[in-house]
Amino acid sequence: EAQVTQNPRYLITVTGKKLTVTCSQNMNHEYMSWYRQDPGLGLRQIYYSMNVEVTDKGDVPEGYKVSRKEKRNFPLILESPSPNQTSLYFCASSFRYISAYEQYFGPGTRLTVT
Amino acid sequence: GENVEQHPSTLSVQEGDSAVIKCTYSDSASNYFPWYKQELGKRPQLIIDIRSNVGEKKDQRIAVTLNKTAKHFSLHITETQPEDSAVYFCAATPLYSGGGADGLTFGKGTHLIIQP
Repeated sequence: EAQVTQNPRYLITVTGKKLTVTCSQNMNHEYMSWYRQDPGLGLRQIYYSMNVEVTDKGDVPEGYKVSRKEKRNFPLILESPSPNQTSLYFCASSFRYISAYEQYFGPGTRLTVT
Repeated sequence: GENVEQHPSTLSVQEGDSAVIKCTYSDSASNYFPWYKQELGKRPQLIIDIRSNVGEKKDQRIAVTLNKTAKHFSLHITETQPEDSAVYFCAATPLYSGGGADGLTFGKGTHLIIQP
């Protein structure tokens, strides 16, 4: 089944404790992206990657890191999480550039930082 | 960077009536405008999109219109049904032409409520 998967789905952590949220797709997509969703603010793009070893900042990259060493995986790293990073995170992928190909979202990861 | 404004934030309509959600954008380079639907507790899903070379696109009960001069685009849902209840997001991005950025900027969303 073609899909985007994220792990974990729920995470509660403490300020400053490094964490990684994994994202994987099995559709051989070149484009992958991370978004955060907050009430009243909608979806905001954190980082995106147009192919292996190519990453770019989105609208809200501060406090996050990403890497794209393999085509199928695009992990989101929070080196020192803070309470303002409490949010619902979505990973997404697209065959190639998103203005030509549909973007598919993962199920979401709900992160709480205390 | 791009800024997308979406209105209204909440829209309540009677079942069977039409619903219209409006978005404006700031970057004249934007040329691709997708709309996503997010049901409660679910992931966003693309429902329709439009590119700048057309002014209107329809898919059954859903249509999107684009006015590039005024930098606004709208989602129209006719004959609304209970399953249309969801949050709808508009977004904008330039058409990718090789090289450069390919980010996507979303509006803040519209909560559409279909009253029985």
